[in-house]
Amino acid sequence: DAGVIQSPRHEVTEMGQEVTLRCKPISGHDYLFWYRQTMMRGLELLIYFNNNVPIDDSGMPEDRFSAKMPNASFSTLKIQPSEPRDSAVYFCASSLDRNRPEAFFGQGTRLTVV
Amino acid sequence: AQSVTQLGSHVSVSEGALVLLRCNYSSSVPPYLFWYVQYPNQGLQLLLKYTTGATLVKGINGFEAEFKKSETSFHLTKPSAHMSDAAEYFCAVTSPNDYKLSFGAGTTVTVRA
Repeated sequence: DAGVIQSPRHEVTEMGQEVTLRCKPISGHDYLFWYRQTMMRGLELLIYFNNNVPIDDSGMPEDRFSAKMPNASFSTLKIQPSEPRDSAVYFCASSLDRNRPEAFFGQGTRLTVV
Repeated sequence: AQSVTQLGSHVSVSEGALVLLRCNYSSSVPPYLFWYVQYPNQGLQLLLKYTTGATLVKGINGFEAEFKKSETSFHLTKPSAHMSDAAEYFCAVTSPNDYKLSFGAGTTVTVRA
């Protein structure tokens, strides 16, 4: 398997624009996670899905953020409108099931909002 | 809720010396514990995990960690540091009832020649 695949790797956008980050989890994994990494706050869990259903979105910073998982092989994280403070590295990760809880991470998307 | 504390944000070791990274956890239920490594501009890579069973777990690249319930610790060690071990290391915790991985703040390791 190619691992968790994220796109794009880098994104530069202007404040106020919509940004969509994409993720393809490892095939067969039941859980999908979105994390954000910044120097100030470290790694923060934004939301996670189990079998395509959002389970906990308490980490989503505000209504400008939304995430979807329309099928088992694809998820998106959308920011609308984007703000400079959203600049960070966003990681997608997936894990197999309850008995194999270790998460496997993608390479991340470095988002810069100017 | 679970949490982890990593003692020391930066560790510097000589090549060939022992690497010791400290992690203490807080959990009201039996935890699952993990160590991840992150190289610059990369994602996080799993080094090792503890779920149940043997408390001394071995991982990739010569690392190992020991789960000590009495000390609520899960320290990471490697007997002999290599230049390629320079990276940031994260301890993480979750539990069988909650799949939210909570990460520590990370420890940056530098290796001196």
